[in-house]
Amino acid sequence: EVQLVQSGAEMKKPGESLRISCKASGYNFTTFWISWVRQMPGRGLEWLGRIDPIDSYTKYNPSFEGHVTFSADKSINTAYLHLSSLRASDSAVYYCARGSGLRSWFDPWGQGSPVTVSS
Amino acid sequence: DIQVTQSPSSLSASVGDRVTLTCRASQDITTYLAWFQQKPGKAPKSLIYGASKLQAGVPSKFSGSGSGTDFTLTISNLQPEDFATYYCQQYNSDPPTFGGGTKVEIK
Repeated sequence: EVQLVQSGAEMKKPGESLRISCKASGYNFTTFWISWVRQMPGRGLEWLGRIDPIDSYTKYNPSFEGHVTFSADKSINTAYLHLSSLRASDSAVYYCARGSGLRSWFDPWGQGSPVTVSS
Repeated sequence: DIQVTQSPSSLSASVGDRVTLTCRASQDITTYLAWFQQKPGKAPKSLIYGASKLQAGVPSKFSGSGSGTDFTLTISNLQPEDFATYYCQQYNSDPPTFGGGTKVEIK
């Protein structure tokens, strides 16, 4: 079974940094991109960007570039989302999802990692 | 960015009903459109890709149609497990963008 399992809920203070993991199983990790999607409380879905695990090539949504970074460790089939200088508006659920680059839908999705940023 | 608009934002229906949800893109996306189902506290689940192709394991009660800028998702014989929020997403060009969702509620 193809599966993406994410790290758990996080509570952070403004200004801190955060890393969320997304571990893939059930397929060849290097043959599909991993996208990251944000869902703010009661809101819709926003694409943050994607990473190609085979060479860690990244494509960021310009709206989020500079605030998020992606990395991947193909030795352990895991992708990471890094958030720096956290602010309250970063409070959201973050999802990883499998795709195949440009012009690709997302399937499956990870279970989501809730993040709360509060002083 | 391509804007994606869903309508209605919510609807009430009864078990056994057939409902149609609409998604409109701000420019031609041919058939690069997907539909997802999301239940409270859960991750989105892929239902349809390529505007009309059923994701493996998804029941045939879900069907998608459309091309260009106008798309529909039809759900037949609504069952309690179908009450959820449905999102469409265009993936014709970066950044992929999502509609605001249609919440299907029990009447």
